[in-house]
Amino acid sequence: DTGVSQNPRHKITKRGQNVTFRCDPISEHNRLYWYRQTLGQGPEFLTYFQNEAQLEKSRLLSDRFSAERPKGSFSTLEIQRTEQGDSAMYLCASSLAGSYYGYTFGSGTRLTVV
Amino acid sequence: AQSVTQLDSHVSVSEGTPVLLRCNYSSSYSPSLFWYVQHPNKGLQLLLKYTSAATLVKGINGFEAEFKKSETSFHLTKPSAHMSDAAEYFCVVTLGSSGGYQKVTFGTGTKLQVIP
Repeated sequence: DTGVSQNPRHKITKRGQNVTFRCDPISEHNRLYWYRQTLGQGPEFLTYFQNEAQLEKSRLLSDRFSAERPKGSFSTLEIQRTEQGDSAMYLCASSLAGSYYGYTFGSGTRLTVV
Repeated sequence: AQSVTQLDSHVSVSEGTPVLLRCNYSSSYSPSLFWYVQHPNKGLQLLLKYTSAATLVKGINGFEAEFKKSETSFHLTKPSAHMSDAAEYFCVVTLGSSGGYQKVTFGTGTKLQVIP
């Protein structure tokens, strides 16, 4: 297992288009998290899953955003009708439930909306 | 409620000199504290963690941090900076729990510049 994998690494899209990102966590990790990081800021929590259940969503996650983890393994984050303000790095992380040992992060997907 | 403050947005040091990146936290409960490093266009890598064991924590690449409850601080240090240490560093506080989401708060980051 080589860690958390995110695809694509970069995505440029026109405003109004839909985009979908994928995250493959470490296989034995049952928790998966999505964060958004804008320039000059620390990551901000968007949502997290325990197995296939989405247990918490941030208020940052508007109704244009949807995340799934259908079989408790990989996850997708979809943004509909993208806006320029959605331009950011989208980070995925995974961990074991109840772990105090920190998260393992992927390299992120950088989204640019033009 | 919890928060974390990284006191410096940018730190510049000469190669071979000590590094000090400052972090203060606020938490109603006993927190877990972490430092992550992010190189340009990369994800975050865990450097070290404090989870109520020893107050002096050693991490990877020669970094260490000391948890000081009386000062609510968790500063990151390294005796001698290397060019490869140039990156952005994030201090993170979590409220550990046996179940449910461990609320995680990131600092705004400190960019470390290492001058040859």
